[in-house]
Amino acid sequence: QLQLQESGSRLVKPLQTLSLTCAVSGGSITSGGYSWSWIRQPPGKGLEWIGYIYQSGSTYYNPSLKSRVTISVDRSKNQFSLKLTSVTAADTAVYYCARGRPTGSFDIWGQGTMVTVSS
Amino acid sequence: EIVMTQSPATLSVSPGERATLSCRASQSVSSNLAWYQHKPGQAPRLLLYGASTRATDIPASFSGSGSGTDFTLTISSLQTEDFAVYYCQQYNNWPYTFGQGTKLEIK
Repeated sequence: QLQLQESGSRLVKPLQTLSLTCAVSGGSITSGGYSWSWIRQPPGKGLEWIGYIYQSGSTYYNPSLKSRVTISVDRSKNQFSLKLTSVTAADTAVYYCARGRPTGSFDIWGQGTMVTVSS
Repeated sequence: EIVMTQSPATLSVSPGERATLSCRASQSVSSNLAWYQHKPGQAPRLLLYGASTRATDIPASFSGSGSGTDFTLTISSLQTEDFAVYYCQQYNNWPYTFGQGTKLEIK
């Protein structure tokens, strides 16, 4: 069965770039017309959708983060990645990767990884 | 951006009883609404999509209703494993948005 696993830097200094990767196992990132998303949850707050990428490479980003976000896909490694530039303490959160069904809900999620922005 | 408002923020219910959770959208999202269950330290779990269609392996004790702006998640006969935080999410308009969650706790 398909599984997602986040990895990357857990501690990022202010104004630097947050980088995370989501490894997809048990299935291909290129099959089925799914999208591949990043979602985050700051401590004590709700979920915020960051953006998604299709296997074709097309992307859509949340306008609130669009100027700082890049999501990319590596089909050869069956993974997709998130880069968030110029981070501040407000970017401290648990970051999840998730598979999006063609109609838009998220049916498979990673366990999440806590990223802290601090000097 | 569509704002999703969930109520109540916390719901205290005894095991075996029914729980009813509400979600309201700031504008119509048709039936493009999903519900998730989230337990601490775990990945969120998709319960329902299309407002009322259960996801794979979700028991019939979970049901959803509504369309447009008002939605309801009902959990009949609560089991101890059902106590968690529940989120609604609209996917009718970009950016996709979530409610702030309802914490379902044991009474």
